[in-house]
Amino acid sequence: QLQLQESGPGLVKPSETLSLTCTVSGGSITNATDHWGWIRQPPGKGLEWIGSIYYSGNTYYNPSLKSRLSLSVDTSKNQFSLKLISVTAADTAVYYCARHVFNGGVFDLWGQGTLVTVSS
Amino acid sequence: QSALTQPASVSGSPGQSITVSCTGTSSDVGGYNFVSWYQQFPGKAPKLILYEVTNRPSGVSDRFSGSKSGNTASLTISGLQADDEAYYSCSSYTTIGTWVFGGGTKLTVL
Repeated sequence: QLQLQESGPGLVKPSETLSLTCTVSGGSITNATDHWGWIRQPPGKGLEWIGSIYYSGNTYYNPSLKSRLSLSVDTSKNQFSLKLISVTAADTAVYYCARHVFNGGVFDLWGQGTLVTVSS
Repeated sequence: QSALTQPASVSGSPGQSITVSCTGTSSDVGGYNFVSWYQQFPGKAPKLILYEVTNRPSGVSDRFSGSKSGNTASLTISGLQADDEAYYSCSSYTTIGTWVFGGGTKLTVL
């Protein structure tokens, strides 16, 4: 069955760039009905939608992060990625990737999540 | 966009029913039926338990049900069980083509 797995550094210095990749296995990232999303959760706080991407490269960003955010997709590797520039301690969170079904507006399959800490 | 408003915590005894509210605006919860609910255990990823306000994915117990009135959506868990103790979060599509989550509610089974 379809599985998602986040990967990337667990520690990023302030003002630097946070980069994460989500690898999709057990299915194709080019499935026509699926978008692919990123959601984060600061320690002890609620979930925040970061953004979503379609395999064609169409992107949808949270307005509060748009100026610092870039999402991309690599169909040859069945992966999609996130880059967040100029990070601060407020970007410390567990970052999840998820399958985002626009028709229904749900995130129906999630990766296990990866903790990214922003600290010097 | 502002996060949807949920109570920080709710509690109930085994066998009882509890309801978790999720309040937004006419630009999100009130404007669309794209409200979903997620169950999350500590240290684990969220799991989808309701979508489009009232629909349950395959495998989710029928003890979980949803409704919506105006700008407020609700999750009801009936026949409360000890393993229902978790965090519950709502999500909604918004007018500006984005998605917003609630702050999450901790359910304690007494």
